[in-house]
Amino acid sequence: AQSVTQPDIHITVSEGASLELRCNYSYGATPYLFWYVQSPGQGLQLLLKYFSGDTLVQGIKGFEAEFKRSQSSFNLRKPSVHWSDAAEYFCAVALYNQGGKLIFGQGTELSVKP
Amino acid sequence: DTAVSQTPKYLVTQMGNDKSIKCEQNLGHDTMYWYKQDSKKFLKIMFSYNNKELIINETVPNRFSPKSPDKAHLNLHINSLELGDSAVYFCASSHGGGKEQFFGPGTRLTVL
Repeated sequence: AQSVTQPDIHITVSEGASLELRCNYSYGATPYLFWYVQSPGQGLQLLLKYFSGDTLVQGIKGFEAEFKRSQSSFNLRKPSVHWSDAAEYFCAVALYNQGGKLIFGQGTELSVKP
Repeated sequence: DTAVSQTPKYLVTQMGNDKSIKCEQNLGHDTMYWYKQDSKKFLKIMFSYNNKELIINETVPNRFSPKSPDKAHLNLHINSLELGDSAVYFCASSHGGGKEQFFGPGTRLTVL
């Protein structure tokens, strides 16, 4: 069955430090992958997406992600975290052969220490 | 310039009541979705419509009935509300299935 796993429930990093959020997926076909961010009490904002092509994708707010087919991973990175990056981050895969529904990971809550 | 909007933002009601949540998108998309986010922040698809046609209907109680009057609107009606229906409901839209989805701000439903 298709699934997305985010192994880290909660991560704390210091402001200015680098960040990597892990995401592993299980999907038989070529995946369409996404990272979304949810600030408290807000909706989900798309950070970046991968459909095909270059496996390193750039997104908004200085985020990037790398698709590694051999590891079934799509990890999110940022070289220097800002206090405003504190939020919940969701990795998702779109099942384009099932109406495009998104299967989400459990989410990773990011806290930023001053 | 709101892209995907939902009303109301908050909804507090008693068990057994019937309520509706409305969603509108001005992005010109042809596909709209409803997701439910539970208290542990887990997000799960409920329904999807493409050009007013239902294409995804997950294992949701039939107390939940979506309705799409046109491509830009997707409403969610819930009958006989139960405590377990308390959650945040998100509407989303996309240009075709499989493409990036744009989410509304969510409706926090609390059933007392």
